[in-house]
Amino acid sequence: GAVVSQHPSWVICKSGTSVKIECRSLDFQATTMFWYRQFPKQSLMLMATSNEGSKATYEQGVEKDKFLINHASLTLSTLTVTSAHPEDSSFYICSAERLAGVVYNEQFFGPGTRLTVL
Amino acid sequence: AQKVTQAQTEISVVEKEDVTLDCVYETRDTTYYLFWYKQPPSGELVFLIRRNSFDEQNEISGRYSWNFQKSTSSFNFTITASQVVDSAVYFCALSGSGAGSYQLTFGKGTKLSVIP
Repeated sequence: GAVVSQHPSWVICKSGTSVKIECRSLDFQATTMFWYRQFPKQSLMLMATSNEGSKATYEQGVEKDKFLINHASLTLSTLTVTSAHPEDSSFYICSAERLAGVVYNEQFFGPGTRLTVL
Repeated sequence: AQKVTQAQTEISVVEKEDVTLDCVYETRDTTYYLFWYKQPPSGELVFLIRRNSFDEQNEISGRYSWNFQKSTSSFNFTITASQVVDSAVYFCALSGSGAGSYQLTFGKGTKLSVIP
């Protein structure tokens, strides 16, 4: 089956620092990856769609200068939370879309990264 | 715009009881996909099922079954003879189809607690 990894699985940082989260598709190529954020006891909210070789598409209300996304290769997308603040503390989940070629492109989810900003 | 409603925020059942989790969706797409995911306390999403809009057949997989009814825009999930390991948050999700439309819209989730 398709595997998506995220690194780190959890991170604690001081307010004002930047944090980079990696999302990798381990056994397939993903031209599209998605980044979600999940606050405690809430649903997953799509933050942005990351396309290999082009700029990410951000959802309304998501600050693109704060959440920098880079999809530099077909197996790696990174999310950098710049100048993190306590309100950025959340569970960040990525998914990678595997091209099926015919009907539907399946999405596979990473295990998530728990960010705590002190 | 797409929308998924899971009206049940939390459900508690005693082990071995059957439980149904409700999901109602809204979409203007004629072709779309519906999903159920399980999120245990560890946080990792576990894929349970995908159903496309042209396939209204109900599906059974072990103790799990799904009832898809386009007439009522519902895609309900039933766990038969629930077990403690079924305790988790369950999300229903919807995606469109076609280029660029595979992003998922999630419901708010239903937290299921199975009491021994």
